[in-house]
Amino acid sequence: SQQGEEDPQALSIQEGENATMNCSYKTSINNLQWYRQNSGRGLVHLILIRSNEREKHSGRLRVTLDTSKKSSSLLITASRAADTASYFCATDAARAAGNKLTFGGGTRVLVKP
Amino acid sequence: SAVISQKPSRDICQRGTSLTIQCQVDSQVTMMFWYRQQPGQSLTLIATANQGSEATYESGFVIDKFPISRPNLTFSTLTVSNMSPEDSSIYLCSVVVGPRYEQFFGPGTRLTVL
Repeated sequence: SQQGEEDPQALSIQEGENATMNCSYKTSINNLQWYRQNSGRGLVHLILIRSNEREKHSGRLRVTLDTSKKSSSLLITASRAADTASYFCATDAARAAGNKLTFGGGTRVLVKP
Repeated sequence: SAVISQKPSRDICQRGTSLTIQCQVDSQVTMMFWYRQQPGQSLTLIATANQGSEATYESGFVIDKFPISRPNLTFSTLTVSNMSPEDSSIYLCSVVVGPRYEQFFGPGTRLTVL
């Protein structure tokens, strides 16, 4: 079963705008990872944020984590057409052995030129 | 990170046949996993591929349907047995690397069963 939910399910923005998507999960985690998937291809790893971290940055990406609310957000600033993809969060549950990931349902992002 | 390759990248198979998917990593890794992504859906973990022992399967997945081999720390195979159209999915392998336990994915194998 899916650990988390992502919202929105789909997002359409103009190039240059910011895109924000949210991920909620149910159980305590070791870490949370965000991925991008273009047109049903493999997943590209974007950012990992540990349970004791609150914010991480990587280029135009900013990830926040609120463990009290069991939620995370991914912000893409100054979006480009190439950012069009599906974005997934995945959690590594604290009480589960072996770094198994449980994925959210994903957010489909369309960046219009 | 790690460089992960999968073969084949895609295949179209007939009902009742089996397909073996290979996953090769460019470095030795302890943790390796197989996931399935059904059309329009998110990823679901099939099993953990254990080196030198039987794979550990998640609820809803069984060894007879998805036998897995892991002969060494850089290679694994997943077989999809006695396929039906419901097995049409993308199958992805992944590995955990580094002190932060980041998990990286292969490019996936897109399987269509007719």
